[in-house]
Amino acid sequence: GAGVSQSPRYKVAKRGQDVALRCDPISGHVSLFWYQQALGQGPEFLTYFQNEAQLDKSGLPSDRFFAERPEGSVSTLKIQRTQQEDSAVYLCASSLRLGTGGNTIYFGEGSWLTVV
Amino acid sequence: SQQGEEDPQALSIQEGENATMNCSYKTSINNLQWYRQNSGRGLVHLILIRSNEREKHSGRLRVTLDTSKKSSSLLITASRAADTASYFCATRLPPRQLTFGSGTQLTVLP
Repeated sequence: GAGVSQSPRYKVAKRGQDVALRCDPISGHVSLFWYQQALGQGPEFLTYFQNEAQLDKSGLPSDRFFAERPEGSVSTLKIQRTQQEDSAVYLCASSLRLGTGGNTIYFGEGSWLTVV
Repeated sequence: SQQGEEDPQALSIQEGENATMNCSYKTSINNLQWYRQNSGRGLVHLILIRSNEREKHSGRLRVTLDTSKKSSSLLITASRAADTASYFCATRLPPRQLTFGSGTQLTVLP
């Protein structure tokens, strides 16, 4: 596709429910990032993949958060036993080359998660 | 935690005026980037300035960087209603990933 595609765009989950958020990066992009953005705040880094390797997961807030990119393309962010504080927009981004140093990264429209 | 702080948090101006947003950050950086986010949308990369650069232009955008003060400014000249959005600065120092500030909400009134 032409851009980074995320699904679902909107998700309402009951507290305690598991959710899975999907990201289709731009074809051929090596790097993939997940960010969490609370209302009125800037995005906060969650995790980074280089191809299928998860090189940095230092931003994942708890062990309820898990991300994978098994074939180096599509990525899934899974949140287990969702809590109200997980309500946020989850942004996926990709870039052609490694890391973010000097490379333009392209963001998807985000998955809006509301936990009730 | 957020690396940068944008100032002001909100800015409202008339169409045709210039808009200036400032960003301060805490640690040494490799580069600083500015992004724009329309309401309910993803972020769009605007401009990148490297740590050894002091000023950069792109169309109606002008970015300055003062590494001694750990600050940057984004100037949008001759603003348009379509410039209404949130603007974020983002910094990177390897091996850390891109770290965003809390943003400035710009409203341009027609």
